[in-house]
Amino acid sequence: NAGVTQTPKFQVLKTGQSMTLQCAQDMNHEYMSWYRQDPGMGLRLIHYSVGAGITDQGEVPNGYNVSRSTTEDFPLRLLSAAPSQTSVYFCASSYSWTGGVNEQFFGPGTRLTVL
Amino acid sequence: AQSVTQLDSHVSVSEGTPVLLRCNYSSSYSPSLFWYVQHPNKGLQLLLKYTSAATLVKGINGFEAEFKKSETSFHLTKPSAHMSDAAEYFCVVSVFGANNLFFGTGTRLTVIP
Repeated sequence: NAGVTQTPKFQVLKTGQSMTLQCAQDMNHEYMSWYRQDPGMGLRLIHYSVGAGITDQGEVPNGYNVSRSTTEDFPLRLLSAAPSQTSVYFCASSYSWTGGVNEQFFGPGTRLTVL
Repeated sequence: AQSVTQLDSHVSVSEGTPVLLRCNYSSSYSPSLFWYVQHPNKGLQLLLKYTSAATLVKGINGFEAEFKKSETSFHLTKPSAHMSDAAEYFCVVSVFGANNLFFGTGTRLTVIP
């Protein structure tokens, strides 16, 4: 059981470039989400999905797109990178979203720098 | 609306002494509360959670937290700090029907040998 995996671990982009952060889980979890972590601000929700084909915006969705074609994968796309998107990105999953009481399992993170 | 305030951004303790990490929350409804730990360059790991059962919650690695509704607090404690406890700790709140977790800004715990 690999849990939640994320690739790449590190990435440097130039302003305006696009890229996709990959996230996969092998626990058959319904709920998956993306967070960004910035110094002194905790984690903030970008997008989430409650099942294949269903996604919705979180607290800070601008500049990011997601899709969920399978239960296992939940990629995050940066359409045109900006320096403000320099951050550490975490993918998380949980068995289901029943009132927010389920444990979230987090990936190891992707450290993104936009120059 | 939900929010979390971690009262200390940095706590430093000596090895073998007690740990207290403070968390206050605000919630319009009965909350679920969590503590997560993040070791350097790692993802977050659940320490413990409160979901309206016993108010004193025991977690992994000797940590525990007490839910105090009257004080809207959920402080994390450990009787005796170990070097391996050095990490960032996040207090998190969620409520039924919400689609996300609300994170505090984190408390960095340093353990001095």
